[in-house]
Amino acid sequence: ETGVTQTPRHLVMGMTNKKSLKCEQHLGHNAMYWYKQSAKKPLELMFVYSLEERVENNSVPSRFSPECPNSSHLFLHLHTLQPEDSALYLCASSQDRLSGNNEQFFGPGTRLTVL
Amino acid sequence: KQEVTQIPAALSVPEGENLVLNCSFTDSAIYNLQWFRQDPGKGLTSLLLIQSSQREQTSGRLNASLDKSSGRSTLYIAASQPGDSATYLCAVAMDSNYQLIWGAGTKLIIKP
Repeated sequence: ETGVTQTPRHLVMGMTNKKSLKCEQHLGHNAMYWYKQSAKKPLELMFVYSLEERVENNSVPSRFSPECPNSSHLFLHLHTLQPEDSALYLCASSQDRLSGNNEQFFGPGTRLTVL
Repeated sequence: KQEVTQIPAALSVPEGENLVLNCSFTDSAIYNLQWFRQDPGKGLTSLLLIQSSQREQTSGRLNASLDKSSGRSTLYIAASQPGDSATYLCAVAMDSNYQLIWGAGTKLIIKP
């Protein structure tokens, strides 16, 4: 156990559905991250939150909408997704973002399939 | 733009062998380099973190080295076991913003 949990572990949705992914960290960290992992490709950083403020958005389509209500919880709201959005979505946290305490701890991921 | 490459993409060896996984990066302005393990259908587990001022880190049967000037890191696994089968990922944290840049991983299979 890394101290980072994600729900659901698996999600199948149609292109017109709206769903949300949830991440929770029990490590007292100040930074949280969403990554997308597609087959045989490097992890893609989607969003970074530091102290509940979004600090990076790496040109992610607006059909992905993050929310960070507090430093322990992170959501990824999904709507009108495309089949190419099918991937493993990973959440991570670190003590800080802009310091040497950047070692990241990952959740188990949500396997998303868009039909 | 930093690029991280891991070769080979897949590796299969008999149990008991010592092996080396490679990671190379194009920009030497890194803060640290991290090696992770990912089991099928699961998240990532941090194995070793090497600061840019360090040459190597060891944990049990694992040893990671870093040659920042040549843009290379290796992960050495001694006396491999079937339980070592997983995908191994390396990531470099940039000096400028500490953002992690990832390799695509090496899928390792240890045959009993």
